[in-house]
Amino acid sequence: SSVLTQPPSVSVAPGQTATISCGGFNTGSDSVHWYRQRPGQAPVLVVYDDTDRPSGIPDRISGSNSGNTATLTISRVEAGDEADYYCQVWESSLDRAVFGPGTKVTVL
Amino acid sequence: EVQILESGGALVQPGGSLRVSCAASGFTFKFFAMAWVRQAPGKGLEWVSSISDTGGRTYYADAVKGRFTISRDNSENTLYLEMNSLRAEDTALYYCARMDGDYELIRFDHWGQGTLVTVSS
Repeated sequence: SSVLTQPPSVSVAPGQTATISCGGFNTGSDSVHWYRQRPGQAPVLVVYDDTDRPSGIPDRISGSNSGNTATLTISRVEAGDEADYYCQVWESSLDRAVFGPGTKVTVL
Repeated sequence: EVQILESGGALVQPGGSLRVSCAASGFTFKFFAMAWVRQAPGKGLEWVSSISDTGGRTYYADAVKGRFTISRDNSENTLYLEMNSLRAEDTALYYCARMDGDYELIRFDHWGQGTLVTVSS
């Protein structure tokens, strides 16, 4: 079974790039999805299937998966990007979802 | 526009029971699997339970298996979570979420605003 790992926090200056890593999933089979949760709000899907963006998510937000580490990249960071970000996989062998512990992104 | 609205959250004593509901609109409810995800105060997201589009298959996290029951009424576009033998550690904001994707690609593409369940004496 997967136990996902994420850094607890990332700090970034406006206009710079934030990167959030996610590890611990089954390499070669799991696709990773990412959610943004702003303070007091519900989570929003921002990247799915490792690299795809739902409609309405700006292309400043992108995802990648190197096999044993997935990465969410936020370019040209804005104040509105300050939020908690969670990665997630679905373990089809166990029929369950697993979330990472979350990464708090702080815009300096 | 997809809309998901949870209701039924309340203050419940330990050992008590509660049913929360989720009303969905803006999409063909009967074609989508659905899920409950919870978030304890100040903590991260925790998947609780999922149900297939027809309701024929249900899945539970180990922490709630045997105590919680997920169900749906496709004629009413409504998802339910019946919670029994509630414990303090079940205190959380319970989100209803639509599931999308197949097999290992499953993700939660639309979420409600949540309903708060507090278990305390």
